Amino acid sequence: QVQLQASGPGLVEPSQTLSLTCSVSGGSITGGASYWSWIRQYPGKGLEWIGYINYRGNTYFNPSLKSRVTISRDTSNSHFSLKLTSVTAADTAVYYCTRDYNGLYFDFWGQGILVTVSS
Amino acid sequence: DIQMTQSPPSLSASVGDTVTLTCRASQNISPYLNWYQQKPGKAPALLIYKTSSLQNGVPSRFSGSGSGTDFTLTITSLQPEDFQTYFCQQSHSTPYTFGQGTKVDIK
Repeated sequence: QVQLQASGPGLVEPSQTLSLTCSVSGGSITGGASYWSWIRQYPGKGLEWIGYINYRGNTYFNPSLKSRVTISRDTSNSHFSLKLTSVTAADTAVYYCTRDYNGLYFDFWGQGILVTVSS
Repeated sequence: DIQMTQSPPSLSASVGDTVTLTCRASQNISPYLNWYQQKPGKAPALLIYKTSSLQNGVPSRFSGSGSGTDFTLTITSLQPEDFQTYFCQQSHSTPYTFGQGTKVDIK
């Protein structure tokens, strides 16, 4: 059973960089057919896919965020990370890390972490 | 981007009822449509993938169907734990997109 645990600061100041890490257990982030995504959910409940890093280390981002997003991984410690630069209040959301099975569906989710952008 | 529209935004039903939730895509996405259930304060959980395949451990009262741009999630004989919010999501092409959700509450 794959388990994901997101961690990072719950409060980020405007114009700063949001940084989150997702620790993965019960599965390999380099395992075939595995894509590791970040998804956020706004206070109004809408869900937005941010991007992924796949088992080969290739990344793909939502074009709406592409200029501000980086997703990287640490294979030795089995985690992947999100960086979102130049944040504003509009980036306030619950951030989830997920496993995306072969680009088809999100079958495992972390618990979510609320990130508030405020001074 | 592919736009996903769910209807209705909310519905009221009773235990034992059968309900049908609808999701419409802005273009053909068949069969790459998934359904998730979200409980308050929790992450969404996968119910159905690729239109009609039931995720492991999901009760058989949940079923999915559809093709092209129009898809449905049916819950037969609603149980108390089914009064939650449901989201559809397309995985036909990136960026993956979600519907706005349908909240099922108790009448």
